[in-house]
Amino acid sequence: EDQVTQSPEALRLQEGESSSLNCSYTVSGLRGLFWYRQDPGKGPEFLFTLYSAGEEKEKERLKATLTKKESFLHITAPKPEDSATYLCAVRGTNAGKSTFGDGTTLTVKP
Amino acid sequence: EPEVTQTPSHQVTQMGQEVILRCVPISNHLYFYWYRQILGQKVEFLVSFYNNEISEKSEIFDDQFSVERPDGSNFTLKIRSTKLEDSAMYFCASENRGLYEQYFGPGTRLTVT
Repeated sequence: EDQVTQSPEALRLQEGESSSLNCSYTVSGLRGLFWYRQDPGKGPEFLFTLYSAGEEKEKERLKATLTKKESFLHITAPKPEDSATYLCAVRGTNAGKSTFGDGTTLTVKP
Repeated sequence: EPEVTQTPSHQVTQMGQEVILRCVPISNHLYFYWYRQILGQKVEFLVSFYNNEISEKSEIFDDQFSVERPDGSNFTLKIRSTKLEDSAMYFCASENRGLYEQYFGPGTRLTVT
């Protein structure tokens, strides 16, 4: 059974204070690891897919990295509009679905 | 930019009633999914659908649930006899072949009273 654990559960940052979110996973053969952003009452918004260890993807202030056991979402100089819940999900070789973590709720104070 | 749409945005129903949640996936996508998210909990897989049949379903997806692609654009989730514990956000997602990237709709909030 694929498993995803995200930490921390919640993170409060001052505007401009960089930090990282962690996603640890176990999967039988990785087809992809996905990062989503979810605003309250909305659907998950796709951010990145990482397919193999060593891969990195960037989008504005966000950078996602991947190892064989975990992924990090680095947030550089965050702004209040980056406040949201960030979800990590994995898709294993033998799975026809994505397995999600509980998410990290990020709050950025001005 | 193509997106997944869902209707209605909010559905209130009484326990024991049937509901149908509707989704229009991204037009060139081939794989379709329903997930649900109970308030404050993680996103949970319900069912995947490909080539007009169910590919995989979770333990949650019991006999009270069914899915259908009645035409070339719509994808529906039917809950036959709703229970209080079915109250949740229901998300439809679609995926293009080979990339495994799922794009989610805005969700339907189902409230069972």
